[in-house]
Parts: sequence; structure tokens; C-alpha cells
Amino acid sequence: LAKTTQPISMDSYEGQEVNITCSHNNIATNDYITWYQQFPSQGPRFIIQGYKTKVTNEVASLFIPADRKSSTLSLPRVSLSDTAVYYCLVGWGTGGSYIPTFGRGTSLIVHP
Amino acid sequence: GAVVSQHPSRVICKSGTSVKIECRSLDFQATTMFWYRQFPKQSLMLMATSNEGSKATYEQGVEKDKFLINHASLTLSTLTVTSAHPEDSSFYICSARDRGQSNQPQHFGDGTRLSIL
Repeated sequence: LAKTTQPISMDSYEGQEVNITCSHNNIATNDYITWYQQFPSQGPRFIIQGYKTKVTNEVASLFIPADRKSSTLSLPRVSLSDTAVYYCLVGWGTGGSYIPTFGRGTSLIVHP
Repeated sequence: GAVVSQHPSRVICKSGTSVKIECRSLDFQATTMFWYRQFPKQSLMLMATSNEGSKATYEQGVEKDKFLINHASLTLSTLTVTSAHPEDSSFYICSARDRGQSNQPQHFGDGTRLSIL
């Protein structure tokens, strides 16, 4: 199982861009990288997923270097409502052997 | 998008009671669902993998007789906490992935807050 390492916490201010990096040195060839957001007392919510290079959707961008040993979630112009815990997950497996295991996550606090 | 429904959202009951939590995939079929528990200010801990039509696979340290998992259909998995005690109080979350879509991410339910008095 690919283990992930993220900063425990980050602080930012409204309107700023936030970049959260996740290390996954032993990522396997078949593994995808997925990021989730979790608010207190709610289940994780899917943000973005990628395999290599750059992926962008309406809420975030995901940057993955060529060696895929890390990834960076980029949140443009954060607001107070982006205060949450962010998790990166790696792993896919084949034939249904994917076991989604969570690391400690990054607690993002956005200040006014 | 893919929706996972979890019910109930909150349970408060007396010690010794058994509690059943349901996890449904509303618009897709899932051969595999996952059950997690989460303590305050901690990450999600995987408890077990629920496999449709077969026995669940439990993580190390999770008592299979304590946490009964049934995955009788492609859209429903249940977790029953048997003879619950205060130390079982936690936030339980399920997730599922669409079996018909390769490389699709997991989708999570909104969790069940279990409080044992």
C-alpha cells in the first residue's frame, strides 16, 4: 500500500491560492492519486483525481510531476468555507484489490 | 454524480444494544464497499472491506463478531455493531465505487454518529 505524507496543518487567508503537497514515494504503476475534502461530522467529499501531469476541474487543480512521487492540490482564491481537512489517497490495484487507506490529512484554516 | 446514502445519520442508544447502519449506492452498483470509523480529530480508519455475495475482509484488530457486515446486493451493505458499549461510540463512514466505471474514485456516505450511553 502506498503511504502518504502531508503537512498536518496550513493557514491561509481569503482570496489566496493554497497549495497542499502530498508525498507518496512508493506509488505503484497502477495507482491513481485522489484528493478529498472533509468537514466536521461529514463524510469525505471527492475533489479531484489524476494519474500524471496536470488535472483541473471547477474547484481545484492537481499537479503531478513525472516521477509521480508527490502531488500538489491547488485551491485558487480560497474562502472561509474551504476550511476543512484535505486528504490525498493513492492506490488502485487491479482486479478490485484497491484498498483506500487514509493518511493523517491536512487541516486547512482560512482566515478572514 | 455518484451518490452514497448512509442511514441513520445519528444514533443514541443504551449500552448492550445492537445497532445497524445501512450504506446504499443510489445510482450505481458496487461490488465492494468499505467501512471506516473516525474518532475526533483523527483520520478515517479502515475497518473492513465489504464484498457483495461473500464474506467481508476485516482489518487487523477489528473484531468480526463485534462488527457484522452484510453485503447482500450490489447497492446495499450493512454494518451491525453488536452489543455496543461506550467505547464503540464513534463516527462510522462507508464508501463505494462504481463497479462499471474503471478508475473511478470512491464516494462516501455522510457518516453515522453513534453514541452509546
